[in-house]
Amino acid sequence: NAGVTQTPKFQVLKTGQSMTLQCAQDMNHEYMSWYRQDPGMGLRLIHYSVGAGITDQGEVPNGYNVSRSTTEDFPLRLLSAAPSQTSVYFCASSYSKGTTYEQYFGPGTRLTVT
Amino acid sequence: QQPVQSPQAVILREGEDAVINCSSSKALYSVHWYRQKHGEAPVFLMILLKGGEQKGHEKISASFNEKKQQSSLYLTASQLSYSGTYFCGVAAIIQGAQKLVFGQGTRLTINP
Repeated sequence: NAGVTQTPKFQVLKTGQSMTLQCAQDMNHEYMSWYRQDPGMGLRLIHYSVGAGITDQGEVPNGYNVSRSTTEDFPLRLLSAAPSQTSVYFCASSYSKGTTYEQYFGPGTRLTVT
Repeated sequence: QQPVQSPQAVILREGEDAVINCSSSKALYSVHWYRQKHGEAPVFLMILLKGGEQKGHEKISASFNEKKQQSSLYLTASQLSYSGTYFCGVAAIIQGAQKLVFGQGTRLTINP
């Protein structure tokens, strides 16, 4: 199993550009989530999904969209990039109901917005 | 809404013990603990569930006080490999749904 994979590993965007961060898992996990990590702020939940077709907002959803058309994939879309979105983004998955099962994290995407 | 971790950073010598605390203002359903090495993804250590069940890891132990909405992670006889940033994640009802939110992290440095 590859576990949780994320692409790209690094990305530089100009302000106003849009892009999609990809996340995939091959463990048949129902629960998937996106976090951003900034120095001194820990991991902050952006959006999460409890299954295909079901998504909900986390702590810091503004400026981001998600969809979950399959169990395996959970892409994160930046609609119009801003310098405040410079961060490291982690995707995570969990067997079920991510609050009571181990989270498996992907390797992260380091995004810089200039 | 993030849980608060203390201390923010701690430096130990190999073999010493450490305690990392996590407290929340909300009623908790579970507490997760993860460790992150520099430049890597967080890695699961332990889950403590409401009611006392634990899903644990190796030589690391933790406690969960549901009434006080607090958890503590105990690292005994620390090894160099324990260095990293430790995060607690708490499951609480936020905006009508149960969500997992993480604290700001505790940086642990173990010196020889």
